[in-house]
Amino acid sequence: GQNIDQPTEMTATEGAIVQINCTYQTSGFNGLFWYQQHAGEAPTFLSYNVLDGLEEKGRFSSFLSRSKGYSYLLLKELQMKDSASYLCAAPLNAGNNRKLIWGLGTSLAVNP
Amino acid sequence: DAGITQSPRHKVTETGTPVTLRCHQTENHRYMYWYRQDPGHGLRLIHYSYGVKDTDKGEVSDGYSVSRSKTEDFLLTLESATSSQTSVYFCAITPSTNTDTQYFGPGTRLTVL
Repeated sequence: GQNIDQPTEMTATEGAIVQINCTYQTSGFNGLFWYQQHAGEAPTFLSYNVLDGLEEKGRFSSFLSRSKGYSYLLLKELQMKDSASYLCAAPLNAGNNRKLIWGLGTSLAVNP
Repeated sequence: DAGITQSPRHKVTETGTPVTLRCHQTENHRYMYWYRQDPGHGLRLIHYSYGVKDTDKGEVSDGYSVSRSKTEDFLLTLESATSSQTSVYFCAITPSTNTDTQYFGPGTRLTVL
């Protein structure tokens, strides 16, 4: 079957680094997404990895290992505004409908 | 900003009443999606559309119907609302390019009493 797993909750301290992990099982592979969702708001796109390795975008980086079915989102120099839910998602490969399968999200609390 | 609006943003209704939520986009995107999001369940796909009058069911479609008579509008209807349909509803689009990235509207918070 197809499945995405990520931890439910994490806590970190302002200024620190946190790594949010995601493991996935999909029938094929066509990339992996990370989204950020603040409480009461819509998810917003953070990153998309299709090749192995680390991609950096400012304070946020995303890593992918296709052979291990594993990804992580790395947040550096944490700020209070980074307190949010982080969703991992991957494309379903059934037909040409561009559907995504979603993890349940990791709720990150950044403490002062 | 993917030019997506949802209306209404908040609605309170009573069990048994019909409810229609509207998703409107201004950039001619082909693919549109309706999700609901509930604590402990994450985002769940209700219905999606891959063009005008082309729609299909998602994983939680029971009790919901959709229509897409114009590219820019994707309507979600609860024919007879139930308390279990109290949720936050998000519309999303995928741009009409070679990408699966989805962009979301601001959401509608629906309460069924």
